[in-house]
Amino acid sequence: EAQVTQNPRYLITVTGKKLTVTCSQNMNHEYMSWYRQDPGLGLRQIYYSMNVEVTDKGDVPEGYKVSRKEKRNFPLILESPSPNQTSLYFCASSEINRGPWRRAFFGQGTRLTVV
Amino acid sequence: GIQVEQSPPDLILQEGANSTLRCNFSDSVNNLQWFHQNPWGQLINLFYIPSGTKQNGRLSATTVATERYSLLYISSSQTTDSGVYFCAPAPDKLIFGTGTRLQVFP
Repeated sequence: EAQVTQNPRYLITVTGKKLTVTCSQNMNHEYMSWYRQDPGLGLRQIYYSMNVEVTDKGDVPEGYKVSRKEKRNFPLILESPSPNQTSLYFCASSEINRGPWRRAFFGQGTRLTVV
Repeated sequence: GIQVEQSPPDLILQEGANSTLRCNFSDSVNNLQWFHQNPWGQLINLFYIPSGTKQNGRLSATTVATERYSLLYISSSQTTDSGVYFCAPAPDKLIFGTGTRLQVFP
């Protein structure tokens, strides 16, 4: 089954404790991205990747890191989480044979709370 | 950047009713997608529809790219249709609208 898998689904952590949210897709998609969803602000892109070893900032990259060492995986790293990073996070993937705007598939979401 | 407006912001229906959700966008785009976010937070891709009309069961969507709008039709609504519907036009990346919150009551 074609899917994007994120882990964990729920996470409560303390300020400053490094964490990683994993994302994996099984569709051989070149394009992957991370979004955060906040009430009143909608979904905003954090980082994206056009292919292995190619990553770039989205609209709200501050406080986040990503890496793309393998095509299927695109982890989101918070080196020193702060309470303003409490949010619902989504990973997404799509083909880019005609640009990074083919049909997008989203993971189940990760609800992160930083206290 | 591109502006995306969805209407209505909220919609309450009784089971069996039909509805039309609208998405207006301010600039030309390469594609447009519709998503349903269910009450558990999952985002499901409903349609990839840069232009024309597509149907999937009780749902159909129409995009008129030259006039910069898209419509999502829901017929014979069911309680499982409840949630938030987002349109996401894509000039070079998905830009999400603020959504239409739909509640369907039995």
